Amino acid sequence: GENVEQHPSTLSVQEGDSAVIKCTYSDSASNYFPWYKQELGKRPQLIIDIRSNVGEKKDQRIAVTLNKTAKHFSLHITETQPEDSAVYFCAALNQGGKLIFGQGTELSVKP
Amino acid sequence: DSGVTQTPKHLITATGQRVTLRCSPRSGDLSVYWYQQSLDQGLQFLIQYYNGEERAKGNILERFSAQQFPDLHSELNLSSLELGDSALYFCASSVGAQGGSYEQYFGPGTRLTVT
Repeated sequence: GENVEQHPSTLSVQEGDSAVIKCTYSDSASNYFPWYKQELGKRPQLIIDIRSNVGEKKDQRIAVTLNKTAKHFSLHITETQPEDSAVYFCAALNQGGKLIFGQGTELSVKP
Repeated sequence: DSGVTQTPKHLITATGQRVTLRCSPRSGDLSVYWYQQSLDQGLQFLIQYYNGEERAKGNILERFSAQQFPDLHSELNLSSLELGDSALYFCASSVGAQGGSYEQYFGPGTRLTVT
């Protein structure tokens, strides 16, 4: 069935380093790919998204890249800070209009 | 604050019982989505409503049902509760019918504990 695979499940980096989270999706008709950040016990917050007609999008320290041919997209966080520590979820909108989420990546930024 | 509100914040109930979770979307949003988040299951899409009509269905159990009212608020009804139904239930809203054409904003969630 349709799914979104997300890797790694946990990621630990030193403050100031970069972090990269990768996702692959199965529905080739998917055309919208948001990323959410979820702090412990709180709601998922939309941090960036990309549509299928764009290959890359950047917002300050956060960037997302999309490779439609390979059906994968990635989140890049540069100059990480302790407040970036959270669980990050990727998602892909499938042809039926459902947002399919990856399993999440727990990012830990050590000061 | 996303502008999406959910009540109650916490709910503790016994197996076999029935509960109702409530969600009010952001002003101007016509679509409401319900998600279940368990520790080992991630975020699972349950159901979507657009302007009062069911639009998409995910892995929603037959014991669960939802509706969207004329004022656009939505309710998720969970019945014959089981221990495995314990989870965080999130509501999200967006402007349009096609969820991915418009950003989805999440409410603070309702934590359901079934004992």
